[in-house]
Amino acid sequence: GAVVSQHPSRVICKSGTSVKIECRSLDFQATTMFWYRQFPKQSLMLMATSNEGSKATYEQGVEKDKFLINHASLTLSTLTVTSAHPEDSSFYICSARLRRDRGHYEQYFGPGTRLTVT
Amino acid sequence: AQKVTQAQTEISVVEKEDVTLDCVYETRDTTYYLFWYKQPPSGELVFLIRRNSFDEQNEISGRYSWNFQKSTSSFNFTITASQVVDSAVYFCALSEAWGNQFYFGTGTSLTVIP
Repeated sequence: GAVVSQHPSRVICKSGTSVKIECRSLDFQATTMFWYRQFPKQSLMLMATSNEGSKATYEQGVEKDKFLINHASLTLSTLTVTSAHPEDSSFYICSARLRRDRGHYEQYFGPGTRLTVT
Repeated sequence: AQKVTQAQTEISVVEKEDVTLDCVYETRDTTYYLFWYKQPPSGELVFLIRRNSFDEQNEISGRYSWNFQKSTSSFNFTITASQVVDSAVYFCALSEAWGNQFYFGTGTSLTVIP
């Protein structure tokens, strides 16, 4: 149990276009999901926290108008990279938070989406 | 503020050697969780271990072992008798509470030479 999927796993797009990445919790409901970005040979950096039914919370330095996050259901959060540019090329990883009994939470990571902007 | 430091950027060892990956963390919270993840070239994070701040017992899982010392804020990871399949980037991470934001170290790239 507790599986998180991402789609697509890889995407190549042209500069100026928009790309949508989906993050799904397959066998649990996640009121909170997180989006991370990882540049080559670097660490994972949190971009934003996505809460179901409300606006996402973005980390400092992350443009909310460029990285649109929608968490419309308890199993799906989407990240749309608008007007993508080559510098947006990166590995994007989502994670989903699962609430266990007694307020105990666990977090599970998706397999990641590799975005290449040409 | 939370911070995780992995001072070793790259390590190369010859197969069957033991190797220790260092992790030092900073937090003001009394309750926190520490993790190790393996990231092979495919990019997917592979969960290795979670340890909460109240459990300082060392853990062994096959060839893997972890040494958690609160006194030095360290959570080191040792691979015994390394194998080529162990080649990957390893991340140490800290969470204020299990299920909240993760703070990742910069990762250690391990290469095991046959």
